[in-house]
Amino acid sequence: NAGVTQTPKFQVLKTGQSMTLQCAQDMNHEYMSWYRQDPGMGLRLIHYSVGAGITDQGEVPNGYNVSRSTTEDFPLRLLSAAPSQTSVYFCASSTRREFNYGYTFGSGTRLTVV
Amino acid sequence: AQTVTQSQPEMSVQEAETVTLSCTYDTSESDYYLFWYKQPPSRQMILVIRQEAYKQQNATENRFSVNFQKAAKSFSLKISDSQLGDAAMYFCAGAGSYQLTFGKGTKLSVIP
Repeated sequence: NAGVTQTPKFQVLKTGQSMTLQCAQDMNHEYMSWYRQDPGMGLRLIHYSVGAGITDQGEVPNGYNVSRSTTEDFPLRLLSAAPSQTSVYFCASSTRREFNYGYTFGSGTRLTVV
Repeated sequence: AQTVTQSQPEMSVQEAETVTLSCTYDTSESDYYLFWYKQPPSRQMILVIRQEAYKQQNATENRFSVNFQKAAKSFSLKISDSQLGDAAMYFCAGAGSYQLTFGKGTKLSVIP
């Protein structure tokens, strides 16, 4: 049981480049979310999904796109990278059946935009 | 809207002593859950303890326990017999309507 798998673990981008952060879970969880972590800010919600084909914006969605074509995968796309998007990104999943057990997190992606 | 507030950016504790990390929350959700997550330098998010906000009984997991004051919307984490491996960032979080909202975190140092 792999849990939540994020790739890559580290990435350096140049300003203006685009890329996709991958997230996959094998627990048949309906809820998936993307967070960014910045020093002194905690984790802030970027986008979330409550099931395949359903996504919505979180607290800091600008500059990011998501889609959810399958239950397992929830990729995060940076359309045109900016230095302000330098951060650590976490993907997380959960299920209504066990929501009181909290979210399971991936190991994170450290992204640097130069 | 949900808010979670951690008012202590940094704390320190002597090894084997007890420390309490503070957290307050605000929500209009009736079905609400509260969590403490630990983030060591490896940056992995580890669930430490959870509490269902409609239950008054305080949750306990080994050396970790919560002091849940429902009326005050307070959810403090007590770590007993602190160990060097407890040194980490600790995040309080609340969840309602599938969204998890985090506080800004408390950095805990353990002094040998």
